[in-house]
Amino acid sequence: AQTVTQSQPEMSVQEAETVTLSCTYDTSESDYYLFWYKQPPSRQMILVIRQEAYKQQNATENRFSVNFQKAAKSFSLKISDSQLGDAAMYFCAHSGNTPLVFGKGTRLSVIA
Amino acid sequence: DAGVIQSPRHEVTEMGQEVTLRCKPISGHDYLFWYRQTMMRGLELLIYFNNNVPIDDSGMPEDRFSAKMPNASFSTLKIQPSEPRDSAVYFCASTAGTALNEQFFGPGTRLTVL
Repeated sequence: AQTVTQSQPEMSVQEAETVTLSCTYDTSESDYYLFWYKQPPSRQMILVIRQEAYKQQNATENRFSVNFQKAAKSFSLKISDSQLGDAAMYFCAHSGNTPLVFGKGTRLSVIA
Repeated sequence: DAGVIQSPRHEVTEMGQEVTLRCKPISGHDYLFWYRQTMMRGLELLIYFNNNVPIDDSGMPEDRFSAKMPNASFSTLKIQPSEPRDSAVYFCASTAGTALNEQFFGPGTRLTVL
């Protein structure tokens, strides 16, 4: 079965600094997708970034980038120049032979 | 596009009552998913549909839960009878082409069963 592990229940970062959220996953599939979703206090689930496993290049979306290590089954999210609006729960998710499986989430606080 | 629409946004009911949650997916999306989010268990997939047909309902917790998708633009999740442990946020999501794509979520329904 697919599993996704986020080992950091909570993280904090100073405004304008960089923070990295960790995620590992377990799968027997060779082709799959990985995602990071953001859930602010409004509880809306918002897609932050996606990565196809067959692509070696790490995905980037503005201030958000990933470090995808396929052999290690690791998929971390880096947020650069953190802003107050980045404060939220962040969920790592994986889809392979089944639809999205989510990790338990990391709560990110941004300190002004 | 209006995005995925869910109603109601909040529902408070008493134990034993029937609860119906509603979802309208994004137009053109052929996959629809229902999730439950709790502090203890996180986000759990309950059931998903492809072209209005249920594909996997293994996440449905018990017979009190049922879901239908009578057409491409509407789905319901029903709990009968409701219990306090059903209190959670219920999300509907949709996507197109494959169940493995990124999903677009509705705003969720916060259900409280007293």
